[in-house]
Amino acid sequence: GAGVSQSPRYKVAKRGQDVALRCDPISGHVSLFWYQQALGQGPEFLTYFQNEAQLDKSGLPSDRFFAERPEGSVSTLKIQRTQQEDSAVYLCASSQPSGDYGYTFGSGTRLTVV
Amino acid sequence: RKEVEQDPGPFNVPEGATVAFNCTYSNSASQSFFWYRQDCRKEPKLLMSVYSSGNEDGRFTAQLNRASQYISLLIRDSKLSDSATYLCVVMEYGNKLVFGAGTILRVKS
Repeated sequence: GAGVSQSPRYKVAKRGQDVALRCDPISGHVSLFWYQQALGQGPEFLTYFQNEAQLDKSGLPSDRFFAERPEGSVSTLKIQRTQQEDSAVYLCASSQPSGDYGYTFGSGTRLTVV
Repeated sequence: RKEVEQDPGPFNVPEGATVAFNCTYSNSASQSFFWYRQDCRKEPKLLMSVYSSGNEDGRFTAQLNRASQYISLLIRDSKLSDSATYLCVVMEYGNKLVFGAGTILRVKS
């Protein structure tokens, strides 16, 4: 497609449930990023892929968070044993390798943990 | 101290006004700089890149001062449709974007 596609758009999870969030980047974009945005805050970096290689996962808040991009295109962010503090919008973005023109973000997945 | 700091606002201005936003960043090794716009419950969208020489896109002018680690955005002749959150963004090594918390602009008729 023409843009970055994320699914689901909304997700309500019970505390302790595992969730999987999907990102389909712009075709040909080798760089893919996941961000977490809490209400009233700017997006916070979680992790970065170049093709299938996860080059930086320093922003993942705990070992309950795991991301993969096995074939260098679609990526999945998995959160195990969700907690209320995981409630946020999870944004995926893709870019050309240099990133000089910024990223294109998807519409995000709004996760609510109850 | 946050890596990118912005005044959260809100800035409430009448249509036609000129408004300026400022931002400071802490990492002197930051490589590229941007302003993003985010509408309520939407994703951030690139507004413009920011260069040391200053750059303009219609009613929008951005400026970077590397020595002071300071970025600015000027909006002239504000429109109702300019109401949004403006995010100051720096790119660090590894193409990682670091966002400020955003400045809220409300343009009123």
